[in-house]
Amino acid sequence: EAEVAQSPRYKITEKSQAVAFWCDPISGHATLYWYRQILGQGPELLVQFQDESVVDDSQLPKDRFSAERLKGVDSTLKIQPAELGDSAMYLCASSRKGTSGGTDTQYFGPGTRLTVL
Amino acid sequence: QKEVEQNSGPLSVPEGAIASLNCTYSDRGSQSFFWYRQYSGKSPELIMSIYSNGDKEDGRFTAQLNKASQYVSLLIRDSQPSDSATYLCAVNRAYQKVTFGTGTKLQVIP
Repeated sequence: EAEVAQSPRYKITEKSQAVAFWCDPISGHATLYWYRQILGQGPELLVQFQDESVVDDSQLPKDRFSAERLKGVDSTLKIQPAELGDSAMYLCASSRKGTSGGTDTQYFGPGTRLTVL
Repeated sequence: QKEVEQNSGPLSVPEGAIASLNCTYSDRGSQSFFWYRQYSGKSPELIMSIYSNGDKEDGRFTAQLNKASQYVSLLIRDSQPSDSATYLCAVNRAYQKVTFGTGTKLQVIP
């Protein structure tokens, strides 16, 4: 069964350092999502790509976060500089391009647990 | 008012009982509804999606949707200790982002 791949699974960094996360969606899935999940809360959308285009990045802290999906396949999320409050689980999800109305089902990768010291 | 509300729990049920998880949402135009299961330290795993009013059954799981009351629920029959997890409700309308609730923690007691 196809799965969303993410790396690394765990990352420990010091504040002010740069970190990067990678995601490879399920083959054929045109839509890719990056979420942040703080312990005890639900996932919060950071950025959504349709192919290589950003559809929604309204909740992405653009002063320190950036995301790209250059060829419309895999994607990278970067944080520079990292802050203590960035400690969280970073989840990548993908879905097939939606048909008329409604968002298609999202499938999540294993996530990256980030700890900022 | 939160867009998607769930009781954080924990909801404790004995093994073999029916667990009932509830979710309310504020956007009356919502069209798609999802239930995810999340084990501690793991990523969310899709259990069911539902789009029309009524019940949808899949094995031991039944999702119930009532758009008039803006309410969606998940029933788990014959609950097992392996069902112990946090259950996330997610909602969206066409061309809008999916909004997740904070989840309900379920504990199935052997």
